[in-house]
Order: sequence, then structure tokens, then C-alpha cells
Amino acid sequence: AQSVTQPDIHITVSEGASLELRCNYSYGATPYLFWYVQSPGQGLQLLLKYFSGDTLVQGIKGFEAEFKRSQSSFNLRKPSVHWSDAAEYFCAVGGDTGRRALTFGSGTRLQVQP
Amino acid sequence: GAVVSQHPSRVICKSGTSVKIECRSLDFQATTMFWYRQFPKQSLMLMATSNEGSKATYEQGVEKDKFLINHASLTLSTLTVTSAHPEDSSFYICSARVLAGANEQFFGPGTRLTVL
Repeated sequence: AQSVTQPDIHITVSEGASLELRCNYSYGATPYLFWYVQSPGQGLQLLLKYFSGDTLVQGIKGFEAEFKRSQSSFNLRKPSVHWSDAAEYFCAVGGDTGRRALTFGSGTRLQVQP
Repeated sequence: GAVVSQHPSRVICKSGTSVKIECRSLDFQATTMFWYRQFPKQSLMLMATSNEGSKATYEQGVEKDKFLINHASLTLSTLTVTSAHPEDSSFYICSARVLAGANEQFFGPGTRLTVL
């Protein structure tokens, strides 16, 4: 069975500081990996995804993530956080068949201090 | 990009009534749609997988007679919460998988259901 672990429930960073959100997955085959962001009361917005190829993936809003198969990780990074980045971030894994739903991690809430 | 809409965005109903939530893929066809629910400050949990023209597949612990899913066309799936109770209050989110291509799903904006 596939699973996703986001070890950090809550992270606070200062505006302008760098950010790394951790994500570890468990999946038997080649995973499809996603990062989504959710603002309060809103739906999900896709930040980036990894299907294959280059293990460093660029996304929207200046985010990037690196797929490390040896560590079963797909950590999200941003070099300089903006106050508008405060939100809930979800890592998700899906299978390559396309017929399965995504499995989400428990989420990491990001607070940005001025 | 692919757009998925949900209607209504917010609904308040009395206990015992039924509520229907629509999920539409606006600019693509979706053979498969997924329904998730999200409790406050929690993650998304899959409720069911909806396939066009066939019965939905429900996750363990989800009552199929309470959460009726109909996927009548390639662009529309509906979730009906029957005889709603306060514990059904939640944020319901649908996603639609593109007909062809890799496993990429597009999410609707969600529906906030409050049962009084």
C-alpha cells in the first residue's frame, strides 16, 4: 500500500528565509509525486509534480522539489519565502496506472513571520 | 489548463435532509473522478472512485447508501449525502483524471457542507 509521511505538522519561518518541507513516501513501484498548496477554506492548487526524468522539479511560485529514490523523499524547497506563502502544504503520491486516487500526507502548515 | 468546478461551494442544511454536490470537468473528459473529504485541519481522505457508466468504488468505512455517487457523463459526477447528520459536516473535494496521459488529477475548489 502506498503512504506519505510529512513529519512536520507546523513550520514557522521568517519572510525572506529559505524553506524546506519534508515528504517521505512508500510505494512499491515508480511513484508519481505531487505537492499541493491549500489556503484556508480553499481547494488545492498544484505546485509541482514528478513523473520521471530530471529529479529536480521546478514548480510555480518559485518552488522546487527534489526526488531522491534512495531516501524515498520528495522535499519541497523555496529559497526565499513570501508572506503570501503561508498556507497548508500537502505531499501526495499516486500510481502509474492512472486509475488510482492520490494518497495524501497529513499536511504541513506554514506560517510566515514578518 | 484543465478546470474542475464544484457546485455549490457552500451549503447549510438541516439534519435529515439530502444534499447533492456536483463535480464538473469543464474543458476535458474524465472517465474517472474521485471524491475526497477533509475534516478541519486534517488531510484529504479518499471516499470513493467514480467511473463513468459504472458503479462507484467506495473506500472501506464509507457507507455507499449514505454517500450516493453518480457519474452519468464524462464531464459530471454527483455526490449525494443522504439523511445528513452533523457529523457529515466537512469539506468535500472532487478531482478528475484526464482521459489520456499520465496520472494527473485536477481538483475542484471544494464544497463546504454544514449540517445543523
